[in-house]
Amino acid sequence: ETGVTQSPTHLIKTRGQQVTLRCSSQSGHNTVSWYQQALGQGPQFIFQYYREEENGRGNFPPRFSGLQFPNYSSELNVNALELDDSALYLCASSLLIQGENIQYFGAGTRLSVL
Amino acid sequence: AQKITQTQPGMFVQEKEAVTLDCTYDTSDPSYGLFWYKQPSSGEMIFLIYQGSYDQQNATEGRYSLNFQKARKSANLVISASQLGDSAMYFCAILSSNTGKLIFGQGTTLQVKP
Repeated sequence: ETGVTQSPTHLIKTRGQQVTLRCSSQSGHNTVSWYQQALGQGPQFIFQYYREEENGRGNFPPRFSGLQFPNYSSELNVNALELDDSALYLCASSLLIQGENIQYFGAGTRLSVL
Repeated sequence: AQKITQTQPGMFVQEKEAVTLDCTYDTSDPSYGLFWYKQPSSGEMIFLIYQGSYDQQNATEGRYSLNFQKARKSANLVISASQLGDSAMYFCAILSSNTGKLIFGQGTTLQVKP
């Protein structure tokens, strides 16, 4: 158990729709990162939030956006869904301190876009 | 840019034997962290072991050890006394100290035979 929970576990949407994925971080962790994992691939970094501010972004378009809340929960929002957005979305929380920055992952949300 | 290379798409090991999963990396960061994660079919990314670039000794966590050879830019994972439950996908990752993002390799599928 990592203490990181994601909801929902599975989701089916149609092209053009919007989706919100949720993550509850491990208690005390001030940083949350989101990753997209296509089938058979390693996860790709979407963005990271530190103390409710975006703290880095990968090569994803602006229709991927996020929020982090004071209670360390967070959301990933994707607008105008495309077929290629079908993937496993992973949330990871960590305590950003000097030195180690171990990211602990949730079980993910499997998104299917039809 | 940082990169992780895992050259073994699939590996087999007999139960109770040891196995080494290969990982090489490329980075220009003077300080970085190397990680191994296990991903069973359920999807959750489970943290196994961490090695800091300035750590003098190889990291160990129970049956997991990391064979860190900095000059060769390799960070191989050794699993001793393999168990059936070790069957999963294994990912090597490097942490960018600038962005805080994890960069993953393509993964290695390990199957433990009884």
